[in-house]
Amino acid sequence: SYDLAQPPSVSVSPGQTASITCSGNELGSRYVSWYQQKPGQSPVLVIYRDNKRPSGVPERFSGSNSGNTAALTISGTQTMDEADYYCQAWDRRTAVFGSGTKVTVL
Amino acid sequence: QVQLVQSGAEVRKPGASVKVSCQPSGYSFSANYMQWLRQAPGQGLEWIGWINPNSGGTHYSQKFRGRVTMTRDTATSTAYMELSRLQSNDTAVYFCARDAGFGGEGWFDPWGQGTLVTVSS
Repeated sequence: SYDLAQPPSVSVSPGQTASITCSGNELGSRYVSWYQQKPGQSPVLVIYRDNKRPSGVPERFSGSNSGNTAALTISGTQTMDEADYYCQAWDRRTAVFGSGTKVTVL
Repeated sequence: QVQLVQSGAEVRKPGASVKVSCQPSGYSFSANYMQWLRQAPGQGLEWIGWINPNSGGTHYSQKFRGRVTMTRDTATSTAYMELSRLQSNDTAVYFCARDAGFGGEGWFDPWGQGTLVTVSS
């Protein structure tokens, strides 16, 4: 089965840049999506097709994907960005998720 | 705006079945595949499968094949996910999500509010 690896946690100070990685074999050859989930809420799409931002998602969210690693970058992180973030890709018609990264803003 | 409204929380005994509904609004029901996912307490996201509301065609994760059935009612624009032979480790929040891409391998946007299914004797 295809695995996506994410760091369990990332800490960032308000106003600084947070970077969350997602690693998988030849991940750069697949499209990656990123989802934000706050406690008790449903996930929300923040990046699709590696680096596309849905309408309504702040410009401080950006994505990249190359080689074996995709990344979600939050520039000028705000306290409201504190959440779990999941990467996702497709492998043989199956959606695969990373285990999630908890972003703490302190 | 696009919204997905799911049915309410359910409690089942081991061995029983549960059927969760998802009713979207704000777009044409037949235009997008509907994906189903779940999240066990304190755990990550897990994909279950999708249904093509236009044709009724389905594709399930191998993990759930034989135990899950996805259907739709085009008259009421409602999608359903039924899971049988429930065990305690099926306790989770079940989500529907619109596939905003193409052919069932797109991105999930938006998600329903989730339906808590508790399996307990």
